[in-house]
Amino acid sequence: AQSVTQPDIHITVSEGASLELRCNYSYGATPYLFWYVQSPGQGLQLLLKYFSGDTLVQGIKGFEAEFKRSQSSFNLRKPSVHWSDAAEYFCAVGGGADGLTFGKGTHLIIQP
Amino acid sequence: SQTIHQWPATLVQPVGSPLSLECTVEGTSNPNLYWYRQAAGRGLQLLFYSVGIGQISSEVPQNLSASRPQDRQFILSSKKLLLSDSGFYLCAWTYPRDPLDNEQFFGPGTRLTVL
Repeated sequence: AQSVTQPDIHITVSEGASLELRCNYSYGATPYLFWYVQSPGQGLQLLLKYFSGDTLVQGIKGFEAEFKRSQSSFNLRKPSVHWSDAAEYFCAVGGGADGLTFGKGTHLIIQP
Repeated sequence: SQTIHQWPATLVQPVGSPLSLECTVEGTSNPNLYWYRQAAGRGLQLLFYSVGIGQISSEVPQNLSASRPQDRQFILSSKKLLLSDSGFYLCAWTYPRDPLDNEQFFGPGTRLTVL
């Protein structure tokens, strides 16, 4: 069965500092990987996705993620965070029509 | 362009009352449709998905049911709500022709509180 682990429930980062959110997955075939962001009380917005090809994926809002098959990881990064980046971040994996498997999320707090 | 709607946005219901949440998609045909529940500290849990009218797959046995009476309409229901049904319910859709392109587009969600 597929699964996603986001080991950090909360992360606090100072505004302007770099960010890395961790994601590890378990999947039996070639994984399709996603990062979504959720602002309070809102739906989910796709930041980026990896299907194949270049293992470094660029997304919206200055985010990027790197797929590392040997480590079963798909960590999300941003070189300099802004206060507006405070939100809940979800990593997900999927490979068919039967939906995605999400991690439990990482709550990002930005300190001024 | 495609849009997805959910209503109501918030709902407060007593235990034992019925439930009906609606999701509609515009701008695409024969989408795959999904219901997720987000409970505090538990991430998103897939409840149901549908690849066509009248076709419903359930991921988790529970007090809820889903129906797809029309191509772009997906309904989540319950005959008698439990306290544990409280949560944030998200509807999502994907393109039907390439199931491997699993990018899901989410609606704004419904916040359900069962008292």
